Amino acid sequence: GAGVSQTPSNKVTEKGKYVELRCDPISGHTALYWYRQSLGQGPEFLIYFQGTGAADDSGLPNDRFFAVRPEGSVSTLKIQRTERGDSAVYLCASSLRRGGTDTQYFGPGTRLTVL
Amino acid sequence: AQTVTQSQPEMSVQEAETVTLSCTYDTSENNYYLFWYKQPPSRQMILVIRQEAYKQQNATENRFSVNFQKAAKSFSLKISDSQLGDTAMYFCAFMKQRGNQGGKLIFGQGTELSVKP
Repeated sequence: GAGVSQTPSNKVTEKGKYVELRCDPISGHTALYWYRQSLGQGPEFLIYFQGTGAADDSGLPNDRFFAVRPEGSVSTLKIQRTERGDSAVYLCASSLRRGGTDTQYFGPGTRLTVL
Repeated sequence: AQTVTQSQPEMSVQEAETVTLSCTYDTSENNYYLFWYKQPPSRQMILVIRQEAYKQQNATENRFSVNFQKAAKSFSLKISDSQLGDTAMYFCAFMKQRGNQGGKLIFGQGTELSVKP
């Protein structure tokens, strides 16, 4: 079946603009995760959803970042007033349930560049 | 807080040879999971192998195996009979087993592996 998809694959924006990044998880997966990967680094956790609710948003760096998953499937990561330091690859992953026994399947990521 | 350290930024190996990638971690948890993920240039992270901390037996998946030393908090990945397609960035990752943080992966900095023909 289809894997995790993310759109757009690349996004270039100007400092101060608003952006939305979309993640389509694998059908039937209840858990969805967002990570941010800066150049040359490992991914850093941002937020995870169990169903429609954000079960852990401890990784969101500040209140400019917000994510939703209104119907328990597609998720959107929203960044307000973008800054150059927000430039990174944003990865989404989904798993059947939360926890270590269920594999997290990753999407190809969205590369965000803030000029 | 948990941390994961990969001390080898780059490694190279000849095709068909064996290579070992190192990973250490720090945690006060007793029950957790450890993972190795592969990230080729396409950016898509792929799970290579998983180890449950309560299992003493080292996990193996075909040419990939781990050496899990719980007391030393060490989790190395051995790739046997290296293939050109193994060329990628490899990340070691940690996950707590319980609580609402079950599911959150904590990654190391990565090791870039090049397999040479």
